[in-house]
Amino acid sequence: SQTIHQWPATLVQPVGSPLSLECTVEGTSNPNLYWYRQAAGRGLQLLFYSVGIGQISSEVPQNLSASRPQDRQFILSSKKLLLSDSGFYLCAWSVQGGTQYFGPGTRLTVL
Amino acid sequence: GQSLEQPSEVTAVEGAIVQINCTYQTSGFYGLSWYQQHDGGAPTFLSYNALDGLEETGRFSSFLSRSDSYGYLLLQELQMKDSASYFCAVEGATNKLIFGTGTLLAVQP
Repeated sequence: SQTIHQWPATLVQPVGSPLSLECTVEGTSNPNLYWYRQAAGRGLQLLFYSVGIGQISSEVPQNLSASRPQDRQFILSSKKLLLSDSGFYLCAWSVQGGTQYFGPGTRLTVL
Repeated sequence: GQSLEQPSEVTAVEGAIVQINCTYQTSGFYGLSWYQQHDGGAPTFLSYNALDGLEETGRFSSFLSRSDSYGYLLLQELQMKDSASYFCAVEGATNKLIFGTGTLLAVQP
């Protein structure tokens, strides 16, 4: 069976510090991978998606970036965090786009 | 532009049936999905409709009318554990989902 891991589960970072969130998927090959952000009480905003190694599509201009160094690894990064980067970051995978499976998420607080 | 509309809140009692509607406007359409999210947790996949009609999975059913740009999620025999947020999402382009803002369902005893 397929599983998706994200870490860390929670993170508190000061403004201006760097960020690296990691997501890995097990039990499937060549999945589509996604990064979403969810503000408190809001819907999910697609940040990045990837259909293969090294292939990244950015949905929203911002100070975040994503990389896919391996088939089942997806990394979200920032060089300098802003207060507005606080939120619940979710990684997801799919084989077919309408059926996506989410990781447990990382709750990021920027102070 | 692309937009999805669903009610912000719905309240129902245990054992009842509730329907959560979703209307959408997108430049492309491949299918409509539904996700459940409990407070503090991650969304979990419930259903996906690519064709018109009703799909049933246990107590949950999902309906799609492509001509009306409309769908709904039907929850039967409501249980307290069904209290959660429910999101509709449109696959408007290959492999990408646009999510609605969610419907908070409160199930009361």
